Amino acid sequence: NAGVTQTPKFQVLKTGQSMTLQCAQDMNHEYMSWYRQDPGMGLRLIHYSVGAGITDQGEVPNGYNVSRSTTEDFPLRLLSAAPSQTSVYFCASSYMWNTEAFFGQGTRLTVV
Amino acid sequence: DQQVKQNSPSLSVQEGRISILNCDYTNSMFDYFLWYKKYPAEGPTFLISISSIKDKNEDGRFTVFLNKSAKHLSLHIVPSQPGDSAVYFCAASLNFGNEKLTFGTGTRLTIIP
Repeated sequence: NAGVTQTPKFQVLKTGQSMTLQCAQDMNHEYMSWYRQDPGMGLRLIHYSVGAGITDQGEVPNGYNVSRSTTEDFPLRLLSAAPSQTSVYFCASSYMWNTEAFFGQGTRLTVV
Repeated sequence: DQQVKQNSPSLSVQEGRISILNCDYTNSMFDYFLWYKKYPAEGPTFLISISSIKDKNEDGRFTVFLNKSAKHLSLHIVPSQPGDSAVYFCAASLNFGNEKLTFGTGTRLTIIP
């Protein structure tokens, strides 16, 4: 049982480059979300989805896009990377918003 | 505006003693609260939760207390074990099941053998 799988685990980007962080879950959860974790800031919600074809913005959406074409996958796209996007990114899925959420192992992104 | 606050960035506790992690919130409409535990290089994992209709919930060594009038919750770990060393996040939501979570900034707990 894989749970939530994030790839890659580490990434270094140059300013202005674009990339996609992948997230897949095999628990048939409707709710999926992306968070970023920064020192002293906790986990901040970037974008979320309540089901295939439905996405919405969270607390810090600027510079990121998402799509949800299937229940399993929820990729996060950085359109033009900036140093301020250096962070650790977590994908999570859950049956409902505040039932137990399962998190991926995280992607550590550095933008230089 | 940080609606969920964990004012202690770090806490050290002797093995076998009680660990108490605190969390304060400002939005009185929050009605469901959760604690997550995070080890380095791993994602957070769910630990325990409590709804606003209760003031206490226990699960083994872990107990969460909720004081709605003070807008305060705490996580008690008794007895503390070395494997409890981790970062602990509290989180809150409105309207159980229908609203996204707001996380606190985390408290790093270190258990001293």
